[in-house]
Amino acid sequence: DAKTTQPPSMDCAEGRAANLPCNHSTISGNEYVYWYRQIHSQGPQYIIHGLKNNETNEMASLIITEDRKSSTLILPHATLRDTAVYYCIVRVESGRDDKIIFGKGTRLHILP
Amino acid sequence: NAGVMQNPRHLVRRRGQEARLRCSPMKGHSHVYWYRQLPEEGLKFMVYLQKENIIDESGMPKERFSAEFPKEGPSILRIQQVVRGDSAAYFCASSPWEGLRNEQFFGPGTRLTVL
Repeated sequence: DAKTTQPPSMDCAEGRAANLPCNHSTISGNEYVYWYRQIHSQGPQYIIHGLKNNETNEMASLIITEDRKSSTLILPHATLRDTAVYYCIVRVESGRDDKIIFGKGTRLHILP
Repeated sequence: NAGVMQNPRHLVRRRGQEARLRCSPMKGHSHVYWYRQLPEEGLKFMVYLQKENIIDESGMPKERFSAEFPKEGPSILRIQQVVRGDSAAYFCASSPWEGLRNEQFFGPGTRLTVL
């Protein structure tokens, strides 16, 4: 089972920041938080990951709380092409157990 | 550098036939993962392979399903005697090496329809 909890759906106006929350209260000290998204009918796309520090790349920012029990993915200027299902994932560490456990994700609707 | 390639993109089979799904990982990647996505559901892990080895097949159904990743050529997911419940999108992902920090790169998927 997925170790994360996300709202099933969210709306965001085009051009505004989209803030997607994720709870992972049972995360272990050596587990990272990963975010993927799946645009309709496509394969999942990696967005960003982090351990405990906030991270930023060209796609998004990841804010992880100090106790690491929750995080927020921020898309700074959402566009219609950001409409997708966003998955927050906690990755197990062992190399022999490297599979991704996907939960149900958050379906993000960007409104024009 | 081409991404992960899967073929065919769409596959139609009648009940009882065999389905073969192929996955070519990104250049330089030696780890392949297969996932299945039933309609309106999230992706479910099936199997994790390295060249010529199955590392984790905990998500594979015990019967009719098999996977391989030979030394040369693509990874193959094989489904024998398909049933309607096998209709799903099958995604392959690859990564360059084991480890926590390496994101998996996904292919476009094969959509299997069983009539």
